[in-house]
Amino acid sequence: QVQLVESGGGLVRPGGSLKLSCAASGFIFSDHYMGWIRQAPGKGLELVSYISTESGFTKDADSVRGRVLISRDNAKKSLHLQMDNLRVDDTAVYYCGRLAQAGSHFSFDLWGQGTLVTVSS
Amino acid sequence: DIQMTQSPSSLSASVGDRVTITCRASQSVDTYLNWYQHQPGKAPKLLIFAASNLQSGIPSRFSGSGSGAVFTLTISSLQPEDFATYYCQQGYTTSWTFGQGTRVEVK
Repeated sequence: QVQLVESGGGLVRPGGSLKLSCAASGFIFSDHYMGWIRQAPGKGLELVSYISTESGFTKDADSVRGRVLISRDNAKKSLHLQMDNLRVDDTAVYYCGRLAQAGSHFSFDLWGQGTLVTVSS
Repeated sequence: DIQMTQSPSSLSASVGDRVTITCRASQSVDTYLNWYQHQPGKAPKLLIFAASNLQSGIPSRFSGSGSGAVFTLTISSLQPEDFATYYCQQGYTTSWTFGQGTRVEVK
């Protein structure tokens, strides 16, 4: 079955750390760029970070730059997001997304169900 | 970063209505524009990629058009399962950004 399953969310205090994981199945993981997208309560979607197929390129949103590290393990078909120095405004549902490429066009064609990260004292 | 602005922010419509959502970019994004549907508690779904290409498995009542800085998503005949929030997203630069969303509600 083609799917993405996120894990690792939870409650963490401001300044704390959390590592999110995404397990992929049903497709050739190493063929796809992958990314993390979040939705804060009552807000819209925001790209957090994405990574190329062989990890040679990564891009982080300005709002998280210097506080997150995206990584992937193609052998284990897994994607990760290490988040440090978490802030209250990082509270959100975090989605794992697969990127499809059509020429030079990228789009998130497969999404997980999301994992909730709550940053609160 | 390129700012994406959707209009309206919300709309009320009935089953069978034709619905049009507009997305404007703060600068040209060529045709590097995608549309997504998001229902509460569900994973977002890709509807349209590269401005006008229908994603596999998406009903033909959904269509996208535009290029440069103005784009539209049209639902030709709204169905009960289409009540959701719709987002545009630009992929022109490496800093991809989403619009704020358009919520389509039952009239």
